[in-house]
Amino acid sequence: EAAVTQSPRSKVAVTGGKVTLSCHQTNNHDYMYWYRQDTGHGLRLIHYSYVADSTEKGDIPDGYKASRPSQENFSLILELASLSQTAVYFCASSDDRSSYEQYFGPGTRLTVL
Amino acid sequence: GDSVTQTEGLVTLTEGLPVMLNCTYQSTYSPFLFWYVQHLNEAPKLLLKSFTDNKRPEHQGFHATLHKSSSSFHLQKSSAQLSDSALYYCAFPYGNEKITFGAGTKLTIKP
Repeated sequence: EAAVTQSPRSKVAVTGGKVTLSCHQTNNHDYMYWYRQDTGHGLRLIHYSYVADSTEKGDIPDGYKASRPSQENFSLILELASLSQTAVYFCASSDDRSSYEQYFGPGTRLTVL
Repeated sequence: GDSVTQTEGLVTLTEGLPVMLNCTYQSTYSPFLFWYVQHLNEAPKLLLKSFTDNKRPEHQGFHATLHKSSSSFHLQKSSAQLSDSALYYCAFPYGNEKITFGAGTKLTIKP
């Protein structure tokens, strides 16, 4: 069974503070993704990566950075958290062999106050 | 640009009635279409994937037919169950291993 884990599972941050969300996968997948989920907007792609030490911008990258130090780990960084970044964040992995099927982690609920 | 549209944000049905959730797409090229399901406080997971040979995918009583002429991939089930209450996303791949998701349809099944 594919496995993607995320930490923390929930976090409260202050406006202007730095937040790091972590993701770890044991699927041996090349691709990893970060999405945010908001009611009415569905799942929107923030950043993704297809190889360690390289990241790509998704559809809504502004205000976010990403880091892929190894095949298994992918982090999302909010350097200056803002109220509008309150959301649920999902990490996912996939590769060519899974024909685009994405395996999601359990999500991180981020509240920025 | 490439996009997927789910016209219903909320659908409420009585148990036992048929389910149909709409999905239309705009894509210059899409090899597959997907339906993902997300139950409350869980992660999204794949429910169905279209086949390239026009076979109709089925899973857990749900099925969907890809109609290229109308750019649609509606999700259907003949008889709704309480456990079908969830958030449903239509999606397709684009670019290099990226997926675009619709806004989602929240399905609520009542007794």
